[in-house]
Amino acid sequence: DAGVIQSPRHEVTEMGQEVTLRCKPISGHNSLFWYRQTMMRGLELLIYFNNNVPIDDSGMPEDRFSAKMPNASFSTLKIQPSEPRDSAVYFCASRGTGSLETQYFGPGTRLLVL
Amino acid sequence: TQLLEQSPQFLSIQEGENLTVYCNSSSVFSSLQWYRQEPGEGPVLLVTVVTGGEVKKLKRLTFQFGDARKDSSLHITAAQPGDTGLYLCAATTSGTYKYIFGTGTRLKVLA
Repeated sequence: DAGVIQSPRHEVTEMGQEVTLRCKPISGHNSLFWYRQTMMRGLELLIYFNNNVPIDDSGMPEDRFSAKMPNASFSTLKIQPSEPRDSAVYFCASRGTGSLETQYFGPGTRLLVL
Repeated sequence: TQLLEQSPQFLSIQEGENLTVYCNSSSVFSSLQWYRQEPGEGPVLLVTVVTGGEVKKLKRLTFQFGDARKDSSLHITAAQPGDTGLYLCAATTSGTYKYIFGTGTRLKVLA
């Protein structure tokens, strides 16, 4: 299995631009998570999908952030407009059924907003 | 807001030494996980503990869940340079999917 796939791995953009991060979860997993990691705040959960449906988006910072999961094999996290404080590493993770199933993280997208 | 405090934040030791990393909270959790994250990669699950007082061993790593299920420790025996990385604890409350991550301990093992 290829594991969780994220793209791009690195993104540099200017303030005000739209940024779209992509994730392909592990086949057969029904839960998908988007996290953000910074030195100051650590690893924070942004949004959780179960069976392609957003269950909890309470971690999404503000309306500039949106996430979609149109099918079981693809999800996007969009930031529009981006701001310098959005600079972070964004991780996607997927998990199978069962509350104690292992959560597998992707390699992350390192975002820098200038 | 549930908080998971990890200590120490940073640890630099020589190869062969032993170390313990702590994860503490005022909340009671139903399960707790430990992850290791290497530079440029996502966290990788090491272990899940669910029972108060539970002890699990993974080669030179020993994990313990506190009796009251509010804290946990990770002990590494005879550390090796390959143990270098960021160690994260994560915990969840009963009936939820959401894991809260700790503040992290950055370990460096010098050869």
